[in-house]
Amino acid sequence: GQNIDQPTEMTATEGAIVQINCTYQTSGFNGLFWYQQHAGEAPTFLSYNVLDGLEEKGRFSSFLSRSKGYSYLLLKELQMKDSASYLCAVSNTNAGKSTFGDGTTLTVKP
Amino acid sequence: DTGVSQDPRHKITKRGQNVTFRCDPISEHNRLYWYRQTLGQGPEFLTYFQNEAQLEKSRLLSDRFSAERPKGSFSTLEIQRTEQGDSAMYLCASSLARDSSYEQYFGPGTRLTVT
Repeated sequence: GQNIDQPTEMTATEGAIVQINCTYQTSGFNGLFWYQQHAGEAPTFLSYNVLDGLEEKGRFSSFLSRSKGYSYLLLKELQMKDSASYLCAVSNTNAGKSTFGDGTTLTVKP
Repeated sequence: DTGVSQDPRHKITKRGQNVTFRCDPISEHNRLYWYRQTLGQGPEFLTYFQNEAQLEKSRLLSDRFSAERPKGSFSTLEIQRTEQGDSAMYLCASSLARDSSYEQYFGPGTRLTVT
């Protein structure tokens, strides 16, 4: 089976940096995704990590440690529009099927 | 590229009725996924197709749920004898399995309310 844990809620200030952690236990691993989901909308892809290390894409970076079953999403220069739910998802080896965590609701305050 | 589309966007039905949802994936994508999402939770995997073959179905899915992708393009998800617990957002996603990357593109979802 698969188990994914991430904090339920986080709050940060506009312009600051926030790190959202995700830990996972899976029976197979073919990569870890981060998605952003605004209220009432579908998830949109942010990042994909399959090898250990940091992937940087603009204001967003994602880190993976396979040996620790750990990932984080780093958001820099926070903007009000970054207020959303951030979903960590693990793709298993066989299918590309993803198991999602319940998401971290980030609130950015002025 | 018009993205993933789903129809209808909203469906209200009475308990016991059957409902069918449609998903049109991005045209060149060979994989199609169905998820269910309730408030405060992440998407829950239901089933997925590679081309027209249904390769995996969640054990959480009862026999009341069935999905098809007859020509490897659009897909339908049918729920028979709906129950109030079926009320949720039903999300469809598609991907192109390539270079071990399975980034999924989601449609806007169909919100089902069972009364």
